[in-house]
Amino acid sequence: QTVVTQEPSFSVSPGGTITLTCGLSSGSVSFTYSPTWYRQTPGQAPRTLIYNTNIRSSGVPDRFSGSIFGNKAVLTITGAQADDESDYYCVLYLGSAIYVFGTGTRVTVL
Amino acid sequence: QVQLVQSGAEVKKPGASVTVSCKTSGYTFTDYYIHWVRQAPGEGLEWMGTIYPDVDTTSHGHKFRGRLTMTRDTSTNTVYMELTSLTSEDTAVYFCAREKPATLYFDFWGQGTLVTVSS
Repeated sequence: QTVVTQEPSFSVSPGGTITLTCGLSSGSVSFTYSPTWYRQTPGQAPRTLIYNTNIRSSGVPDRFSGSIFGNKAVLTITGAQADDESDYYCVLYLGSAIYVFGTGTRVTVL
Repeated sequence: QVQLVQSGAEVKKPGASVTVSCKTSGYTFTDYYIHWVRQAPGEGLEWMGTIYPDVDTTSHGHKFRGRLTMTRDTSTNTVYMELTSLTSEDTAVYFCAREKPATLYFDFWGQGTLVTVSS
């Protein structure tokens, strides 16, 4: 059973930088997993932020960026704003039309 | 414009089955995968499975094999998700979502359908 791990929570001050990671319970995340990042606010469907590791979805500002660092996928959000408060999920593609969501990170802007 | 409109909330008893529909419009139905994702109350998102309407092929998450059936109706551009042998742990909001083949991400989502399993 593949488990995709994310930080349970992350707190940041306004204007700060948010760095969220997405790792595997065993093994390393690489480009072949095509990491995607979604953002979800309560009661809403998720919205795509980043796909294929580092491609911003339409309308997503360049404050949001994706990368691979070490053995994890990383979502970086610069210039944190109050409305960045959300739950953030990564998704990895395991092949054979199988996907797995990460455990999710709740971001708080204090 | 692209729309995925899901059926309404359901209340089911343990052991029963539920079918949720996802009616699509605004694009060529057979050109895109439809995925099912669920979210239990206060919990994270969980990928369940996918169907490719063009050739009616499906793929399931390991956890749902044997209980999840996905079908499509090309005359109404609708995908159906049936989950059987329900338990209280299946209480969740169920989302359908669209993927353009080979892009490996979900670009449009349905509004979600709450399924409550309770005796």
